[in-house]
Amino acid sequence: KAGVTQTPRYLIKTRGQQVTLSCSPISGHRSVSWYQQTPGQGLQFLFEYFSETQRNKGNFPGRFSGRQFSNSRSEMNVSTLELGDSALYLCASSSGPTGVNTEAFFGQGTRLTVV
Amino acid sequence: AQKITQTQPGMFVQEKEAVTLDCTYDTSDPSYGLFWYKQPSSGEMIFLIYQGSYDQQNATEGRYSLNFQKARKSANLVISASQLGDSAMYFCAMREDNNAGNMLTFGGGTRLMVKP
Repeated sequence: KAGVTQTPRYLIKTRGQQVTLSCSPISGHRSVSWYQQTPGQGLQFLFEYFSETQRNKGNFPGRFSGRQFSNSRSEMNVSTLELGDSALYLCASSSGPTGVNTEAFFGQGTRLTVV
Repeated sequence: AQKITQTQPGMFVQEKEAVTLDCTYDTSDPSYGLFWYKQPSSGEMIFLIYQGSYDQQNATEGRYSLNFQKARKSANLVISASQLGDSAMYFCAMREDNNAGNMLTFGGGTRLMVKP
């Protein structure tokens, strides 16, 4: 069974540009969550999609957006990139709609560097 | 207030010895789950162990066990017989039932270094 796949693995962008990151969840999983990891702020929740609907959003500016397709693949987009957006972006997939014991499976992340 | 606190930024342990990584949490939700993840330098978060707030017994998974003290709101990870491959970042995380969806809240992490 394939794991969570994130593409690309590494990305270098210039300030002001926009970027799109992709996440393919484990087959059959309908929930995809995104997290940003930085040395200063640690791991922070961005948003979650379930069955193509965003149902939870973290405290990030509107420049961060996402979507989920009918095959559960998800993309996140960051517009007008800032230096502070440099981070490891992790995607997690889960099988169920909710539940405190629902395990989250993570991808290897996309490391974004903004110069 | 921090929901998940990991007070040990870094720790050393001798190979083959046991080590305890601390985690305290804060929630008013009676139903919640606590997770530990390992993050090697490759970046991927690897699930290690889970403890539910209503579980009567401490969780164990191979060399990993969770010392769950509900009244103290602590969920410490114990790794027995440390191996060199255990060197990594370790994160404690919580999911609360009153949060819609599968959102996890993470602590700041502990970097574990295993000495040969």
